[in-house]
Amino acid sequence: EAGVAQSPRYKIIEKRQSVAFWCNPISGHATLYWYQQILGQGPKLLIQFQNNGVVDDSQLPKDRFSAERLKGVDSTLKIQPAKLEDSAVYLCASSLDPTDSYEQYFGPGTRLTVT
Amino acid sequence: AQKITQTQPGMFVQEKEAVTLDCTYDTSDPSYGLFWYKQPSSGEMIFLIYQGSYDQQNATEGRYSLNFQKARKSANLVISASQLGDSAMYFCAARDAGKSTFGDGTTLTVKP
Repeated sequence: EAGVAQSPRYKIIEKRQSVAFWCNPISGHATLYWYQQILGQGPKLLIQFQNNGVVDDSQLPKDRFSAERLKGVDSTLKIQPAKLEDSAVYLCASSLDPTDSYEQYFGPGTRLTVT
Repeated sequence: AQKITQTQPGMFVQEKEAVTLDCTYDTSDPSYGLFWYKQPSSGEMIFLIYQGSYDQQNATEGRYSLNFQKARKSANLVISASQLGDSAMYFCAARDAGKSTFGDGTTLTVKP
């Protein structure tokens, strides 16, 4: 079974530029998550999708971040314009179901550096 | 889950010994799940073990066990017979009402 795929793995941009990350979850997983992990901290949930609908985006900085999940499968996360404090690893995860007993499977992450 | 606390930023353990990583959580929901993940230097998060709030027995998965003390809101991870490959960051997470919260992790270093 293929795992969660993410691209790119690394990205370096200047502040005020835009960037997009792509995620392909495990086949059949209805729930998809985007996390931001700043160095030395645990992952922080940015947005959670159930199929192609948003379940939780309470911690997404909506003035600069946007995300979509087309057809309930792949997802993209965009930052426009980027700030220095957006430097972090962006993790995508998926789970079979959003209920509390199902573990999340994580992709390898995208390491973003904003200069 | 509202808050996860991992009080040990770093831990050292001798190879082949057991180690306990601490985790306390704060949730008002009576139904929740507790998870531990391992994050090696490569960056990928690896699921280790799960404990449900209504489970009567402590969860075990191979060398991993979860010491669940519900009244204390504690969910410590015990790794037995540590191996060099266990050196990594370890994250405790809780999920209630479908929403996950992670702690800030503990860095475990296994000494040969």
